[in-house]
Amino acid sequence: GAGVSQTPSNKVTEKGKYVELRCDPISGHTALYWYRQSLGQGPEFLIYFQGTGAADDSGLPNDRFFAVRPEGSVSTLKIQRTERGDSAVYLCASSLIPDLGANVLTFGAGSRLTVL
Amino acid sequence: AQSVTQPDIHITVSEGASLELRCNYSYGATPYLFWYVQSPGQGLQLLLKYFSGDTLVQGIKGFEAEFKRSQSSFNLRKPSVHWSDAAEYFCACTTSGTYKYIFGTGTRLKVLA
Repeated sequence: GAGVSQTPSNKVTEKGKYVELRCDPISGHTALYWYRQSLGQGPEFLIYFQGTGAADDSGLPNDRFFAVRPEGSVSTLKIQRTERGDSAVYLCASSLIPDLGANVLTFGAGSRLTVL
Repeated sequence: AQSVTQPDIHITVSEGASLELRCNYSYGATPYLFWYVQSPGQGLQLLLKYFSGDTLVQGIKGFEAEFKRSQSSFNLRKPSVHWSDAAEYFCACTTSGTYKYIFGTGTRLKVLA
């Protein structure tokens, strides 16, 4: 597509529930990233995919968070047993095969998650 | 530790006035620097980037930024602010050999008519 698409744009859930957030990157972009933006903060890195594999998941806060990209395009961020502290905007970004000297990310509009 | 600092949480300027948003970075290697803008309900839009070469870079919407290695700064400027520039601005840093961006905490710009 023309841009990075994220769904849903807003998600309200109850503590303890399971949530999935979807990201559809720019066509042809092989690198995909998830960031989390808490209120009043800048985005923080969660995970990076190169193709189908998670090349770096060091930013995932704990084992309740998991992400997949089975066909190297669309990615899903999965959060189990949600907690109120998970409330944030989850941003997805994509880029061409990263030339590590010139990696420019294009971000989606984000999925705002609210855990009651 | 690598970090990006935006000292001003909020800035208010009058329409037509000049603007400077501050960004300082702490990075062990040669940094690649970015400014993004985020309007309510919108994603982060890239304003400009610095990789190498001329330290004064031009971006979209009339913005420019200057890389000053001696001061570890990458301040964003605009000579005349428009009401539509009201948004939150984020400075970010990465370096060759990594794909992680480190973001500052943002500066929220308010423009008075």
